[in-house]
Amino acid sequence: RKEVEQDPGPFNVPEGATVAFNCTYSNSASQSFFWYRQDCRKEPKLLMSVYSSGNEDGRFTAQLNRASQYISLLIRDSKLSDSATYLCVVPLRGAGRRALTFGSGTRLQVQP
Amino acid sequence: EADIYQTPRYLVIGTGKKITLECSQTMGHDKMYWYQQDPGMELHLIHYSYGVNSTEKGDLSSESTVSRIRTEHFPLTLESARPSHTSQYLCASSPGGGSEQYFGPGTRLTVT
Repeated sequence: RKEVEQDPGPFNVPEGATVAFNCTYSNSASQSFFWYRQDCRKEPKLLMSVYSSGNEDGRFTAQLNRASQYISLLIRDSKLSDSATYLCVVPLRGAGRRALTFGSGTRLQVQP
Repeated sequence: EADIYQTPRYLVIGTGKKITLECSQTMGHDKMYWYQQDPGMELHLIHYSYGVNSTEKGDLSSESTVSRIRTEHFPLTLESARPSHTSQYLCASSPGGGSEQYFGPGTRLTVT
């Protein structure tokens, strides 16, 4: 089983829609989680950190379900500029020196 | 914006040449990482460092080598470039082992 699993998509949604992505992880000891956004041919950029049950930042809400070992990202009122790949990131099992592992990403395409 | 820089941004070079990709950060982070990413594919960790004189190989086998003589500098070297090395190379740093990582803009390498 992969450390982090994401639905690759693509998710094609109209402007204004609400869309949610799920991510499952295998390291039950993980304490910190992150969502990154990566635009085509650009570097990943930190979108949100999740340290407890969840986090909200404007139109973006991240929720953590430790019992089921999944993290979700909810985007409300989608904008064209939200089109990107969203990466779920968790610490590696026995993290120690090796830090984070990145999911393969979920691609979102917001259409006019 | 993260203060992490990579040069060159784009490099086209012939087979057999030796190349060094530069990465510098001014945030005082001890942890630094190199990732390799092909277009539309996931990130693969190839090297990481937990501090000066500390380097280790990542998940993906790579023919490249790294050094960490100064905290702010983490160069990656390919002794003899091959077409199979064509990819995007992303450098990142973080303040802690399980903390968020900040990425440089990447070097897009093409070996002809």
